[in-house]
Amino acid sequence: AQTVTQSQPEMSVQEAETVTLSCTYDTSESDYYLFWYKQPPSRQMILVIRQEAYKQQNATENRFSVNFQKAAKSFSLKISDSQLGDAAMYFCAYRTRRETSGSRLTFGEGTQLTVNP
Amino acid sequence: GAVVSQHPSWVICKSGTSVKIECRSLDFQATTMFWYRQFPKQSLMLMATSNEGSKATYEQGVEKDKFLINHASLTLSTLTVTSAHPEDSSFYICSAKAIPNTEAFFGQGTRLTVV
Repeated sequence: AQTVTQSQPEMSVQEAETVTLSCTYDTSESDYYLFWYKQPPSRQMILVIRQEAYKQQNATENRFSVNFQKAAKSFSLKISDSQLGDAAMYFCAYRTRRETSGSRLTFGEGTQLTVNP
Repeated sequence: GAVVSQHPSWVICKSGTSVKIECRSLDFQATTMFWYRQFPKQSLMLMATSNEGSKATYEQGVEKDKFLINHASLTLSTLTVTSAHPEDSSFYICSAKAIPNTEAFFGQGTRLTVV
């Protein structure tokens, strides 16, 4: 079974600074997806960024980028120029590409990000 | 992105009663829907996976007779918490996906409080 680990329960960053959230995972599969989701106080889950394991290039979405290290099974999220609206719980998630799994997501424990003005 | 609507957003019910939560895909047909439970400051735990027209697949430890899931149409899945007790109080979130290997989109969640 796959597992996802986020070792930082809480992180804080100054507005306009950069912060990196860590995520490691364990799997025996070679083809899968990795995601970062944001859950603000409204508790609506919002997809931040997605990485396909077969792609070597790190995904980027505006101020959000990942450092995907497949061999190390590491998938960190970097938030640049942090904004107050970035404050939220961030979840790392894994999904196999095997269709028989029904596309279920396995989530990490979450990292609560605080952005200080 | 696609829109998933969950209703109600919050509900308070008396212990021993049943409560139904709806999850609708508004602009796509959802072949698969997922139901999660989330306790405060914790992660999302998958409760069950439902495919349209078939029985739901429950995760280990989830009582299928207590958490009834129905996915009768391609746009609607319901979760019924039967004979609710205070320990069932939690945040319940659904997600829905369409064709294979596309993203699953999340509803806004339902906060259930059993008193």
